[in-house]
Order: sequence, then C-alpha cells, then structure tokens
Amino acid sequence: KNEVEQSPQNLTAQEGEFITINCSYSVGISALHWLQQHPGGGIVSLFMLSSGKKKHGRLIATINIQEKHSSLHITASHPRDSAVYICAARLIQGAQKLVFGQGTRLTINP
Amino acid sequence: DTGVSQDPRHKITKRGQNVTFRCDPISEHNRLYWYRQTLGQGPEFLTYFQNEAQLEKSRLLSDRFSAERPKGSFSTLEIQRTEQGDSAMYLCASSSPREEQYFGPGTRLTVT
Repeated sequence: KNEVEQSPQNLTAQEGEFITINCSYSVGISALHWLQQHPGGGIVSLFMLSSGKKKHGRLIATINIQEKHSSLHITASHPRDSAVYICAARLIQGAQKLVFGQGTRLTINP
Repeated sequence: DTGVSQDPRHKITKRGQNVTFRCDPISEHNRLYWYRQTLGQGPEFLTYFQNEAQLEKSRLLSDRFSAERPKGSFSTLEIQRTEQGDSAMYLCASSSPREEQYFGPGTRLTVT
C-alpha cells in the first residue's frame, strides 16, 4: 500500500461541475501539498496546508489531520482546469521530502 | 525570472552514454531536492541537499547516479551508463526550511 493514495485516478466532468479529488496518507506529516501538473511536465504548487482549509479563487483545499485525509475541490470547473492534480505529503523527519500520490488526471469538457 | 530553472529541458541519449542535468534553485533557498517521475506515476524522491551537503539519498539512486551541489547554489545530477529504465522526467525543487517546495520545469530524459 502506498503511503499516499489519491482517488479517483481519472476524472472526466462537464464544464461547470463541482470537482472533488481525495487524498489519504499513512505517514506522519508536517504539511500536505496539492500540486498541478500540465502536459509537458511543469509542476505548480497550489496549496500547502497543515490544518483546516485554504481557498484560492475557485480552488479549495481541506485537511483532516485526525483522519489523515485531504480533499481538493474545484468550483465552477472550466476546461483550462484540465491537468493532473497531485497530493504530496511532506514528512516530519529529516529532509522533509515529499511523498507523492500517483496523481488524478482531470479532464473538463466544454 | 527568479524561479527554479533546469537544463536541458529534453535529452535524448543512447543506452550506455553518460548524461548530466543542471538545476538552478531560487537563490535564497538552502534546500534542494531531486525527484524522478516515470510516465503515469507521481514523482519519487531521489536525493536532498541542505546547502552543499547531500543529507539523504533514496534507494532508487543506484551507484550509476551521482549528485552534487558544490557551492550550495546550483546542483548537477549525473547518470552514468544510462539504461532504458532511466527514461523519465527528472524534477528539481528548492525551498527554505519549513516552506513549500518550488519546482523547476523538469528535464525529460529518453534513453534509446
């Protein structure tokens, strides 16, 4: 079992729909990152959170430390939101390296 | 541009050749990470530098791989005697302590 699990692996929706991507982790973390990766490979950090909820535009990220679970929500989805969304757990120990989920490929159709 | 930069962006090489990638982190960041991402998977940790010291290496980093950060600024990742299984995207990230990591655009390696 991977230390960071995401679901679903693939998600296709129509423009305007409310999107939820889930992330569960089994390791001790100092923070949980949500990242966006477009074709071509570049990774952009969307959120880093260690408790509660953060909002940026149409994106909302929540984390429940007790349940070791985080969600990324997209409201009023748009085709330009199509990308791979990756959650990554920043470990408490040592290098504080990131342990990544396998990613969720999101496709928003017009 | 003050982000993380990587060079080259793409590299095609024949099996058995050596390749070297470069990462220039954000200038005030003392932490530098290398990750590898194969097709359809999330990135995996390779190695970590704090200033010029390489403090952690993954089991994924075989003896054909070596990384350096000689002056605590840019870093290089060298792969000797490349194999087809080395084909991947190599990502560099930098950060300050307890801050988020900023990623470079990656170097896509194809070994033929």
